[in-house]
Amino acid sequence: SYELPQPPSVSVSPGQTARITCFGDALSNQYAYWYQQRPGQAPVLLIYKDTERPSGIPERFSGSRSGTTVTLTISGVQAEDEADYYCQSTDSSDTWVFGAGTKLTVL
Amino acid sequence: QVRLQESGPGLVKPSQTLSLTCTVSGDSINSDNHYWSWIRQPPGRGLEWIGNIYSSGGTNYNPSLRSRMTISVDTSRNQFSLNLNSVTAADTAVYYCARAVRIAVKRGYFDHWGQGTLVSVSS
Repeated sequence: SYELPQPPSVSVSPGQTARITCFGDALSNQYAYWYQQRPGQAPVLLIYKDTERPSGIPERFSGSRSGTTVTLTISGVQAEDEADYYCQSTDSSDTWVFGAGTKLTVL
Repeated sequence: QVRLQESGPGLVKPSQTLSLTCTVSGDSINSDNHYWSWIRQPPGRGLEWIGNIYSSGGTNYNPSLRSRMTISVDTSRNQFSLNLNSVTAADTAVYYCARAVRIAVKRGYFDHWGQGTLVSVSS
């Protein structure tokens, strides 16, 4: 089982807001990071240190935290946002861990 | 622009050793601010961190693979490599190399990824 559970799937219509959560003990005192992986492509960094967005990532992608739950929010979802999304952190034994991944479907 | 490129055999026989190399361009593998990493993804499944190496040669491995793996660095060629021995079909996956930003000791995140290479384990 994954140390960072995520919902297996999220579905939204274009223009709506999608929220993907990730939680676990590994997040109690460690930052979370988010990646987008489109089919057949390598992952791309979306969010680092819970809330920071790298240059070149659209503003509609944002990250937040409440305790040991972190959330990736995609505002005004577009068809091109259909992809798998993974959270990542580090656990207490210095193991870098990924969430199970969430498949975002744009209806 | 930072680029990473994986290379190595696409087919490995069971019980043999999987060997991959990642060539880095656009950055020095001697950087104090980065780790150099391997991640894999079995077909249709999620991402699994394999391990990291620092420019000094210090390593951090996934405990589930530690007994079978070695990551090494060749600073003269700006490359780092993965060896995974005693492979089985369960090691079939797309293998990615990546650069990780070091935010603390053994802490960080992946900001640049290679395109990935599929390695199949089969006789």
